[in-house]
Amino acid sequence: DIQMTQSPSSLSASVGDRVTITCRASQSISNSLNWYQQKPGKAPKLLIYAASSLQGGVPSSFSGSGSGTDFTLTISSLQPEDFATYYCQQSYSTPRTFGQGTKVEMK
Amino acid sequence: EVQLLESGGGLVQPGGSLRLSCAVSRFIFSSFDLSWVRQAPGKGLEWVSAISGSGGRTFYADSVRGRFTISKDNSKNTVFLQMSSLRAEDTAVYYCARRTSLAAFDIWGQGTMVTVSS
Repeated sequence: DIQMTQSPSSLSASVGDRVTITCRASQSISNSLNWYQQKPGKAPKLLIYAASSLQGGVPSSFSGSGSGTDFTLTISSLQPEDFATYYCQQSYSTPRTFGQGTKVEMK
Repeated sequence: EVQLLESGGGLVQPGGSLRLSCAVSRFIFSSFDLSWVRQAPGKGLEWVSAISGSGGRTFYADSVRGRFTISKDNSKNTVFLQMSSLRAEDTAVYYCARRTSLAAFDIWGQGTMVTVSS
């Protein structure tokens, strides 16, 4: 199975900050990497697919990059509605493993 | 609007069985793979099982293989997850999710809670 490791596990930030979350795969997964946002009590929401493609309706403040084993999710200017937990997920092979999550909290 | 609606969750004793359903509306049911993803209380996301659009291929996580069975009824636009030999560690919210051609989960249901406890 491919292991996905996110860092950091949590971070504190303020509105307007630039936030970067990293995801590392245990083996090369090309660009088969997706990012999700989850708020408490809600289902996850797809933000980025294929490492860097923005899902429809997602603000352009979100961007993704990377290939191979190292990937990044960037929020260029954090908004109040962006405080949530973020997960990466590899779609290279089954089982479709997720990272452990990164919780973005208000400073 | 495309929707997925899960049902069937509840409280079950260890060793018991439960069947979850995921009703699909407003997209061509047979054109998309569907997955079950679960989330234990306070924990992260875990992919559990998937079924192809045709229903001809099924996939399972090691943690549930041999205990869970995924199936679909195309006439009812519904996917099922039959869970047996349930354990305390199966306690979670179970989500149904649609998989795109690039294997991202673009549409999710609201989830159904399964609690395994005596």
